[in-house]
Amino acid sequence: EAQVTQNPRYLITVTGKKLTVTCSQNMNHEYMSWYRQDPGLGLRQIYYSMNVEVTDKGDVPEGYKVSRKEKRNFPLILESPSPNQTSLYFCASSPTGRETQYFGPGTRLLVL
Amino acid sequence: EDQVTQSPEALRLQEGESSSLNCSYTVSGLRGLFWYRQDPGKGPEFLFTLYSAGEEKEKERLKATLTKKESFLHITAPKPEDSATYLCAVQPMIKAAGNKLTFGGGTRVLVKP
Repeated sequence: EAQVTQNPRYLITVTGKKLTVTCSQNMNHEYMSWYRQDPGLGLRQIYYSMNVEVTDKGDVPEGYKVSRKEKRNFPLILESPSPNQTSLYFCASSPTGRETQYFGPGTRLLVL
Repeated sequence: EDQVTQSPEALRLQEGESSSLNCSYTVSGLRGLFWYRQDPGKGPEFLFTLYSAGEEKEKERLKATLTKKESFLHITAPKPEDSATYLCAVQPMIKAAGNKLTFGGGTRVLVKP
């Protein structure tokens, strides 16, 4: 089944404790992206990747890092999480980015 | 800056009561307008892509239309299973924008039996 998977689905952590949210797609898509969703602010792009080893900032990149060493994986790294990063995170992928983006199931993060 | 505004914020319908959701947008050259459905706690599920004014797409009880400034999602004779948040997003033509989708705030639809 073609899909985007994310792990973990739920995460509670404390301020400053580094964490990684994984994202994987099995559709051989070149383009992958991370969004966060917050009440009243909608979905906003954090980072995106046009292909392996090519990443760039979206609208709200502060406090996040990404890497794209393999085509299928696009992990989101929070090196020193803060409470304002409490949010619902979605990974998405698209064949080249110029078509429909398909979203993962989401990761709900709470930073205490 | 690209902007998307959806209205109304929330919509309560009786089963069978047809209605329309609005998505108004401003974008520096529209590459595509996307409609998604999102159930609570889940990721957005793709519904339609519209590329040019006058285009229409249909899927079961849903029909999406596009003009140069707005898009409508018409729900005909809705059923309780159509209850969800419907999201509209635009993608600009400029590749330098990183193929980013700019989303509206969504319309929460509740269909009561």
